[in-house]
Amino acid sequence: GAGVSQSPSNKVTEKGKDVELRCDPISGHTALYWYRQSLGQGLEFLIYFQGNSAPDKSGLPSDRFSAERTGGSVSTLTIQRTQQEDSAVYLCASSTGAETQYFGPGTRLLVL
Amino acid sequence: AQSVTQLDSQVPVFEEAPVELRCNYSSSVSVYLFWYVQYPNQGLQLLLKYLSGSTLVKGINGFEAEFNKSQTSFHLRKPSVHISDTAEYFCAVSESQGAQKLVFGQGTRLTINP
Repeated sequence: GAGVSQSPSNKVTEKGKDVELRCDPISGHTALYWYRQSLGQGLEFLIYFQGNSAPDKSGLPSDRFSAERTGGSVSTLTIQRTQQEDSAVYLCASSTGAETQYFGPGTRLLVL
Repeated sequence: AQSVTQLDSQVPVFEEAPVELRCNYSSSVSVYLFWYVQYPNQGLQLLLKYLSGSTLVKGINGFEAEFNKSQTSFHLRKPSVHISDTAEYFCAVSESQGAQKLVFGQGTRLTINP
């Protein structure tokens, strides 16, 4: 079946602009995660959604970062007033809520 | 909180040679352990996982790993590597309860030389 998809695959933006990154999880998966992969910090957790529960935002690096998940499916990660240190690959993963997370191909963000 | 240490940032080996990628973790609670592989410009693919039970787990592409609770290790092994195994390998841990968000090691770049 279809895996996790993310769009866009690449995004180049100017410092100070807002960006939106989209994640379509595997159908039926109730849990959705965002991670960031950067040269300096490696792979780090950002935010977690599970069903209708309040999201776990403990990994968001600043209040410029936010995410929502509409209808328990698609999720959007928004970065406001982008900075150069936001340049990274943003990975989305989904799961049934039990153990294994399935990752999308990522969105490569470059802030100039 | 959990942490993961991958002891080697790069491992070069010759084709058909055995390889071991080392991973140590720390946690005060019960955890699940994972190895993921990332091929160039791709997302993460699950190689294998340890949840409970037998400490030797087998995964895809001929890889296996052994959970050692006393040494808090979860080393990945393959008896004979191929050129196609060239990739970055990530060890990860999650709590067995709750959000199960993954904490990753820094990764090991495996390079296979002909």
